[in-house]
Amino acid sequence: EADIYQTPRYLVIGTGKKITLECSQTMGHDKMYWYQQDPGMELHLIHYSYGVNSTEKGDLSSESTVSRIRTEHFPLTLESARPSHTSQYLCASSGRDRGIGEQFFGPGTRLTVL
Amino acid sequence: KNEVEQSPQNLTAQEGEFITINCSYSVGISALHWLQQHPGGGIVSLFMLSSGKKKHGRLIATINIQEKHSSLHITASHPRDSAVYICAAETSGSRLTFGEGTQLTVNP
Repeated sequence: EADIYQTPRYLVIGTGKKITLECSQTMGHDKMYWYQQDPGMELHLIHYSYGVNSTEKGDLSSESTVSRIRTEHFPLTLESARPSHTSQYLCASSGRDRGIGEQFFGPGTRLTVL
Repeated sequence: KNEVEQSPQNLTAQEGEFITINCSYSVGISALHWLQQHPGGGIVSLFMLSSGKKKHGRLIATINIQEKHSSLHITASHPRDSAVYICAAETSGSRLTFGEGTQLTVNP
């Protein structure tokens, strides 16, 4: 069982609110990822990090931001939530030095913006 | 055209049947990943391979680099195998490009 956690699991929030989705892993992995997945659709990479103080934008245009101050923690923040942000957000980590290696996924956060 | 394409999109089988899910990709890859997503949304990594074949229990994954094609096989399928199976290409830069997934339903 993967030691990667996400909170909250479910969130319903009004338009314009600032929200932070938490992701933590206890495996000491350097690489961490945020994916967005709409129902029945493929995953899209929105942010990733190769280590502390390293963050990059992914393939999907996103109005979110991330930070990586500690190895184990990779929070994602939406400054002003909109209905178009309604989706599932999945965090993942991997520890291989070269390439990605096996990815361990968190349980996801289902976000609904009213 | 997506860089990673899976077929079929949906697959229904009877318990005990041999199942094959296919994945074709159009990009250069360093590895090919197979993932399983259960109805609750959780995702588990099944295989990561860059050549040949790997086996884990009733699951077998193969890859043909020249043809840019991979297959996931399930032998003696069981209702608990019902899930979405996702193929993902690992490209340079340590990023994954995902297929749309194959919804597998195994009936008792």
